Amino acid sequence: GESVGLHLPTLSVQEGDNSIINCAYSNSASDYFIWYKQESGKGPQFIIDIRSNMDKRQGQRVTVLLNKTVKHLSLQIAATQPGDSAVYFCAEVNQGGKLIFGQGTELSVKP
Amino acid sequence: EAGVTQSPTHLIKTRGQQVTLRCSPISGHTSVYWYQQALGLGLQFLLWYDEGEERNRGNFPPRFSGRQFPNYSSELNVNALELEDSALYLCASSSPQGATPNTGELFFGEGSRLTVL
Repeated sequence: GESVGLHLPTLSVQEGDNSIINCAYSNSASDYFIWYKQESGKGPQFIIDIRSNMDKRQGQRVTVLLNKTVKHLSLQIAATQPGDSAVYFCAEVNQGGKLIFGQGTELSVKP
Repeated sequence: EAGVTQSPTHLIKTRGQQVTLRCSPISGHTSVYWYQQALGLGLQFLLWYDEGEERNRGNFPPRFSGRQFPNYSSELNVNALELEDSALYLCASSSPQGATPNTGELFFGEGSRLTVL
């Protein structure tokens, strides 16, 4: 089925380290990408987005990088904290406005 | 301001039964999306409603259906339940333009967890 793939299903990092979560997307025509965080028992929450005419966007402690040449998206979390432990999904929005999610990467932060 | 609300939060059904899940979007949002999240898997797009119309549909059989009411709330119906329908069903809403760079994010509810025995 439709999907945006992720390279790693799990990621374990030490508290204070930086985290990098990667994502490969399939539709070169997608023009908008979003990262979501889903904590256990909760619905996904928006983290940061990026348009296809950009290659980098920064938020608070998070940075999203977009490489359209290789259809790759990454989420960087600076100074990872225990509260960052969650499953992270990337999603692409196609021209029909449909949001297509990847499998998710589970981030585990060790104190 | 109330977020997206879904009901019921949990339910158990048996194979062959039918289920109706409900979603109330954030006030002012006209678009409602439904996603299925099976255990250990990503979110699979089911349906998108906007202004009462079905705008897009994912790769699911016809026994998955839904509708959107004039007040923009939505129902997801699943007929002839199968074991593999066990999942978390998430509803999300967005402002009238949908999930575009002009409007930003989708807002998700906490989901309805369906178990089919």
